[in-house]
Amino acid sequence: AQSVTQLGSHVSVSEGALVLLRCNYSSSVPPYLFWYVQYPNQGLQLLLKYTTGATLVKGINGFEAEFKKSETSFHLTKPSAHMSDAAEYFCAVSEGAGGTSYGKLTFGQGTILTVHP
Amino acid sequence: DAGVIQSPRHEVTEMGQEVTLRCKPISGHDYLFWYRQTMMRGLELLIYFNNNVPIDDSGMPEDRFSAKMPNASFSTLKIQPSEPRDSAVYFCASSPYTWGGTDTQYFGPGTRLTVL
Repeated sequence: AQSVTQLGSHVSVSEGALVLLRCNYSSSVPPYLFWYVQYPNQGLQLLLKYTTGATLVKGINGFEAEFKKSETSFHLTKPSAHMSDAAEYFCAVSEGAGGTSYGKLTFGQGTILTVHP
Repeated sequence: DAGVIQSPRHEVTEMGQEVTLRCKPISGHDYLFWYRQTMMRGLELLIYFNNNVPIDDSGMPEDRFSAKMPNASFSTLKIQPSEPRDSAVYFCASSPYTWGGTDTQYFGPGTRLTVL
C-alpha cells in the first residue's frame, strides 16, 4: 500500500524567505507524485507533478520539487515566499502503470504555510 | 471550461435525513473521484469511477453512503441516513485518461456538509 508523510503540519516563514515543505512517500511500484495547494474555502489545485523523466519538476507560482528515489522524498521548495503563498499544501502519491490500483491518489495530511510580512 | 461543478456548496441538515451531493465533471474526462475532508482524518478518497463504472469503493465508510454515475456528465453521492459524524467537506474531482492511468485531478470547490 502506498502512503505519504508530510513532516510538519504548520510551517511559518517570513516574506522573501525560502519555503521548504517536506514529503516522504512509500510505494511498491514507481510512483507518480503530486503537490496540490488549497486556498481557504476552495478546492485543491495542482502545483506540480512528477511522473517520469527529469527529477526536478517546476510548477506554477515559482514552486519546484525534486524526486529523490533513494530518499523516497519529494520536497517542495520556493526560493522567496510571497504573502499570497499562504495556504495548505498537500503531497500525494499515485501508483503508476503496473500498480494494482493506479489512478488512486493517496494524500498526506497537509502542511499549512503561513507567511509573515 | 467551467471546471468541476458541485452543488450545493453548503448543506445543513438534521440527523437522519437523506443528503444528496451532486457533481458535474469536466467534459471529456474519463475518471471521477469523490473525497471527504475533515480535520481529524484529512483528505480521504471515498470512491472513484472510470467511464461511469465504479472502480474502487473501498473508502466508502459504510452502507449509508452510496454513489452513482448514470452518465459521463453527472454523479451523485448520497448519505442515508445522515449522522453528525458525516459533517465534512466533500470534494469531487475529475481526470482525463492518460497513458498508464490517470494523471492530474481537477477538483471542484467542494460541498460543506453540516449534520446537526
